[in-house]
Amino acid sequence: DQQVKQNSPSLSVQEGRISILNCDYTNSMFDYFLWYKKYPAEGPTFLISISSIKDKNEDGRFTVFLNKSAKHLSLHIVPSQPGDSAVYFCAAPINAGGTSYGKLTFGQGTILTVHP
Amino acid sequence: EAGVAQSPRYKIIEKRQSVAFWCNPISGHATLYWYQQILGQGPKLLIQFQNNGVVDDSQLPKDRFSAERLKGVDSTLKIQPAKLEDSAVYLCASSPTWSPEAFFGQGTRLTVV
Repeated sequence: DQQVKQNSPSLSVQEGRISILNCDYTNSMFDYFLWYKKYPAEGPTFLISISSIKDKNEDGRFTVFLNKSAKHLSLHIVPSQPGDSAVYFCAAPINAGGTSYGKLTFGQGTILTVHP
Repeated sequence: EAGVAQSPRYKIIEKRQSVAFWCNPISGHATLYWYQQILGQGPKLLIQFQNNGVVDDSQLPKDRFSAERLKGVDSTLKIQPAKLEDSAVYLCASSPTWSPEAFFGQGTRLTVV
C-alpha cells in the first residue's frame, strides 16, 4: 500500500527556471513531511521538511508547500541549477505523531534534470 | 561530524549464496534503520533498532534476512540464501531519538546473479 506517491517519474527544466515536484499522500494522520535528494551512487540526503501546522516552508531556493485538504505537497526550486539534477523523494514518518520520526515511508521518486 | 558508514559499497553474489552488510551509524544516534531500495522505487524500511533492541522488523523477510546491532552501535544485515529479487541497494540510516530526519549512508549495491 503506497501511502506516499510521486506520479511523475521525471521532470526536465531549463537552468534558471522553476522546478516543481509533486507528491500526494493517502494517510490523513501524517503530520510531517520531508524531501530527500539523491545523487547516483550516494545515499539520500535531507533537503527540507514541513510540519502539518504550516502550509509553507522556505529554505533558500527551496520551498515546500503543503495542501492538507488535497493531501498534496510540492517542492519548488527557484532558480533551478544543473547541480540540482538528482532524484527527489518525498517521505513521511510511518509513526504519524509518534516516536522515531526517522522511520519513513517514501514515494517512488522523481528524476529532475536541469539543462544548462 | 562523520556520516553513516557502510561497507562494502558493491557486492555481486550468486543466488543461494549468503551476504552480509555492515553499518556504523553517526556517533550518539540511538536509532538505526535498514532500508532496501529496488531500482526505480523509493527506499523501503526493513528493520528499525533503538539502541540494541529491535523496534520494528515487520517488513523484514525473516526466512532469509537477519539483522543485529552489536552493543547498540554497529549493525549487520545478512541475507541467506539470496534470491534474484534481493538485488537492490541496501541503505543504513540513523537518527537521534525524536528526530524527524534520518541520515543515510551511501548504501551497498547488491547484485544477485
